Amino acid sequence: KAGVTQTPRYLIKTRGQQVTLSCSPISGHRSVSWYQQTPGQGLQFLFEYFSETQRNKGNFPGRFSGRQFSNSRSEMNVSTLELGDSALYLCASSSGGTGQSYEQYFGPGTRLTVT
Amino acid sequence: AQSVTQLDSQVPVFEEAPVELRCNYSSSVSVYLFWYVQYPNQGLQLLLKYLSGSTLVKGINGFEAEFNKSQTSFHLRKPSVHISDTAEYFCAVSDLSTGGGNKLTFGTGTQLKVEL
Repeated sequence: KAGVTQTPRYLIKTRGQQVTLSCSPISGHRSVSWYQQTPGQGLQFLFEYFSETQRNKGNFPGRFSGRQFSNSRSEMNVSTLELGDSALYLCASSSGGTGQSYEQYFGPGTRLTVT
Repeated sequence: AQSVTQLDSQVPVFEEAPVELRCNYSSSVSVYLFWYVQYPNQGLQLLLKYLSGSTLVKGINGFEAEFNKSQTSFHLRKPSVHISDTAEYFCAVSDLSTGGGNKLTFGTGTQLKVEL
């Protein structure tokens, strides 16, 4: 089985621009979660999508948004980029299932640099 | 809100020596516990998980962890480390209070450095 794939792997953007990151989960997995990793704040949960619906949300401003498609692929969007948005963005997939927590499998991440 | 504390930010150890990476969590409800490893410029790889049952959990690469509910701890151990174990290790918790889902709360990580 192919693992979680994320595109692009590296991205450089300018303050004020917007960016879209993509994640393809493991085949058969219906849950996709997004995390931000920075040296200062560590790993922080952004949001989770399950069957095209946002199921959980972290404490990030509305500039951070996401969606999930019918094939379980997910995208996250960050609008009006700030320097502090520079981070490694990790996507994780799991089989999901209401009321249960399953182990998550992470992709290699997208390294976003905002200048 | 949950929190996860990894008491050691860095742990140096000689090759073939045993190692323990400590993790404590705060939660008044049932939890699932995980250890992940991250090699440079890579994503996170699941080492092991505790969902229920036996409190001693065995994972990949010779790692194991013990769930201690009374001490709210989930320490990771390996009896003999190899140079290739040099990486950052993250403890994570997912609680079941809000239906669980897949929201992981991570600790700040422990950098394990194995020296010859």
